[in-house]
Amino acid sequence: EDQVTQSPEALRLQEGESSSLNCSYTVSGLRGLFWYRQDPGKGPEFLFTLYSAGEEKEKERLKATLTKKESFLHITAPKPEDSATYLCTVHSSGGSYIPTFGRGTSLIVHP
Amino acid sequence: DAMVIQNPRYQVTQFGKPVTLSCSQTLNHNVMYWYQQKSSQAPKLLFHYYDKDFNNEADTPDNFQSRRPNTSFCFLDIRSPGLGDAAMYLCATSMTSGNYEQYFGPGTRLTVT
Repeated sequence: EDQVTQSPEALRLQEGESSSLNCSYTVSGLRGLFWYRQDPGKGPEFLFTLYSAGEEKEKERLKATLTKKESFLHITAPKPEDSATYLCTVHSSGGSYIPTFGRGTSLIVHP
Repeated sequence: DAMVIQNPRYQVTQFGKPVTLSCSQTLNHNVMYWYQQKSSQAPKLLFHYYDKDFNNEADTPDNFQSRRPNTSFCFLDIRSPGLGDAAMYLCATSMTSGNYEQYFGPGTRLTVT
């Protein structure tokens, strides 16, 4: 059974204080790992897809990396508008287009 | 812009009174999903359509039904809402070729009184 574990559950940062969110996964053949951002009361918004170990993707202050066991979402010099819940999902070769979700990390960035 | 649209954004219904939520997409994606999300929890898959093929999750209550009359539209019917069905309902789409990233609608917040 595919599993995705995100840590920490919640993270509070001061503006400008860089940090990382973790997504550990166990899947039977990784087809893709996805990061989404979800603002309160809204649907998740796609951020990144990673397919193979060593791959990295960047977007503004966010950088996602992937190893064979986990992914990190690095946030550099965060701003209050980066406050959101960040969800990690994986697609496995067994589950194909049905993702397994992590429970998310709630990030709050204080000004 | 291509997108996923959900209506209504907010729905209040009475205990036991049937309610229908709608989702439409302009992305021409072949897979459509319905998720239930409660506060501080990950979205929980209720069912999905692969083209016209309906797939029900094993633990989705019989109280929940769905229809997909065409590629663009999908409906979620809750036949007899209970207080425990109050949640955010999210519709999402994806393609089965190439990337599997999902595109979510803004959600419908359901309140049961």
